[in-house]
This record gives sequence, structure tokens and C-alpha cells, in this order.
Amino acid sequence: EAEVAQSPRYKITEKSQAVAFWCDPISGHATLYWYRQILGQGPELLVQFQDESVVDDSQLPKDRFSAERLKGVDSTLKIQPAELGDSAMYLCASSRKRDRANEQYFGPGTRLTVT
Amino acid sequence: AQSVTQPDIHITVSEGASLELRCNYSYGATPYLFWYVQSPGQGLQLLLKYFSGDTLVQGIKGFEAEFKRSQSSFNLRKPSVHWSDAAEYFCAVGALAGNKLVFGAGTILRVKS
Repeated sequence: EAEVAQSPRYKITEKSQAVAFWCDPISGHATLYWYRQILGQGPELLVQFQDESVVDDSQLPKDRFSAERLKGVDSTLKIQPAELGDSAMYLCASSRKRDRANEQYFGPGTRLTVT
Repeated sequence: AQSVTQPDIHITVSEGASLELRCNYSYGATPYLFWYVQSPGQGLQLLLKYFSGDTLVQGIKGFEAEFKRSQSSFNLRKPSVHWSDAAEYFCAVGALAGNKLVFGAGTILRVKS
């Protein structure tokens, strides 16, 4: 069964350092999502791609976060500089189409700890 | 704006007992509703979804949920809980625009033997 891959699974970084996360969606899935899940809360959408284009980044802190999906396949989410409040689980998901009837499949996440 | 409320942060049930997890939503149109489960250190797995039609929907692992428009609720149920059901459960609503999911804060289920 195809799965969404994410790496690394765990990342510890110091405040003010740069950090990057990688996501490989299920093959053929046009829509890719990055969510942030703070401990004790539900996931919150950061950015959504349709193929290589950003279609929703309204909740992305653009002064320090960036995301790209250059060839419309895998994606990278970057934080620079990291702050203590960025400690969270970062989840990547993909769906076949950008339609709320299409199921989103989630990867295992990257747990970020900023010290 | 759409929102989801899960009133119970933690629930503990005995193995073999029945389970009901509560979910209330706020949405201006017919909602698309989902329940996901997250085991420790893992991503989210879809348990079931409701788009339209029969208000009682069946999901995987023996779970079901009932959509009640009058109460703006979509509660998750299971008649007999197994120890392996211990996890965190999230209710979510699908936004009308695009495919954005809005999640509740989650309910942590503990199963005691």
C-alpha cells in the first residue's frame, strides 16, 4: 500500500538555526498539504499545493517559513530561523485531487524540538 | 468560519465497554465530516467520513458515527473497545473551498484492562 513518506522523523535544533523537512506524497496525488500540530491541539494547515503551485498559505508565517514543491512531486518545508514556539509535529498529507471529497493520506510526521 | 469542538480531552474506558466520543461542529453549509485516529508518534489514519445520505456511517476497526444536523454533532461510537484502540481521536470538518481540513483538539482514549 502506497504511503506518504517524511524525513526526518525527529529533529532537534537550537533556536535561530535553520531546519528543513521533506515529504514525498503518494504517487499520482496532485494535492499536497503541510500541517503543524502543537502538543495538545489538532493539526492546523500551513500550506497547500496543487501540483507545483501554492493554493493556500494563509496560515504560513512567511517571515520565517517557506515551502516549495518544484516539480509537483515531493516538497520541502523550511524554517529559518527556528523559534522555541516552532516545537511541534509537522505532518504532510496528500490527496488525489483538491476536493474535500478526496481523502487526505497522512505521513508519520516530523517531530521538531527547538532548544 | 468553520470550527470543531471535542469537549472531552481524555476518556478512559474498560476493555470490552462501549465508547462514545463527542464532536460538535460549526459550519454554514452541509458539512463534510471526518474522524481520524492517531497512535503515538504516528500520522493520522482515516476512520470514517460523512458527506451525505445515511446519517449513520460505518468505518474501519468497528467504529461508526452518527451525523445529527439538529445538534451539529458527529459522535464516534464503538460497541466494544479493545486495548489496541488506545490512541488520540480527531474530528474534522472539510472546508467548502479547496480541501482544507479543520480539526478539533482531539480526545485521548485510554483503555484499562
